[in-house]
Amino acid sequence: GAGVSQSPSNKVTEKGKDVELRCDPISGHTALYWYRQSLGQGLEFLIYFQGNSAPDKSGLPSDRFSAERTGGSVSTLTIQRTQQEDSAVYLCASYPQRGNTEAFFGQGTRLTVV
Amino acid sequence: KQEVTQIPAALSVPEGENLVLNCSFTDSAIYNLQWFRQDPGKGLTSLLLIQSSQREQTSGRLNASLDKSSGRSTLYIAASQPGDSATYLCAVARLTGGGNKLTFGTGTQLKVEL
Repeated sequence: GAGVSQSPSNKVTEKGKDVELRCDPISGHTALYWYRQSLGQGLEFLIYFQGNSAPDKSGLPSDRFSAERTGGSVSTLTIQRTQQEDSAVYLCASYPQRGNTEAFFGQGTRLTVV
Repeated sequence: KQEVTQIPAALSVPEGENLVLNCSFTDSAIYNLQWFRQDPGKGLTSLLLIQSSQREQTSGRLNASLDKSSGRSTLYIAASQPGDSATYLCAVARLTGGGNKLTFGTGTQLKVEL
């Protein structure tokens, strides 16, 4: 497809379980970002990958959150021992290059922790 | 820390009306500003990107302006249509370490009525 693809679109999990969220960026896009959209919190930056550089993890809310990007393409966001406050929509965005360009967002994964 | 505010939080207008959405930010050291549209349960669609050196951008019925010194941007929608109903988000990027981390406002929820 031509756009950023995220899976699953919806995920319901029990408190304490681990979850993995996947993002397929647009082919050739070098930068990939994860954001979280919570009710009452708006959109918050989580983590950023640019090429082969070390990721910027400054937005991750706790050490239960981690992400990796394999082969400079697909990224997986992992949340361990999920808590109810992790319930949110997780959005992925990619950019075609460094510099002053627009972001392309996926449709998001709605995570509900029960 | 950058803070982005959008006013109004919600707006309801009759079809055909011209309208203005406002965005303000506290740190004028921005790289660019983007306006996005978000439909319910969907991801973000980029509408306009204004680089820090620009004053405005236009796309169809949309016009966005940027006054970096006063920390303000406006999104002007001409001849509004019911299909324009959505949440509009502005976001500013501060280039740090090669990244385009976005700080988002909380959005304006627009409803255009027949």
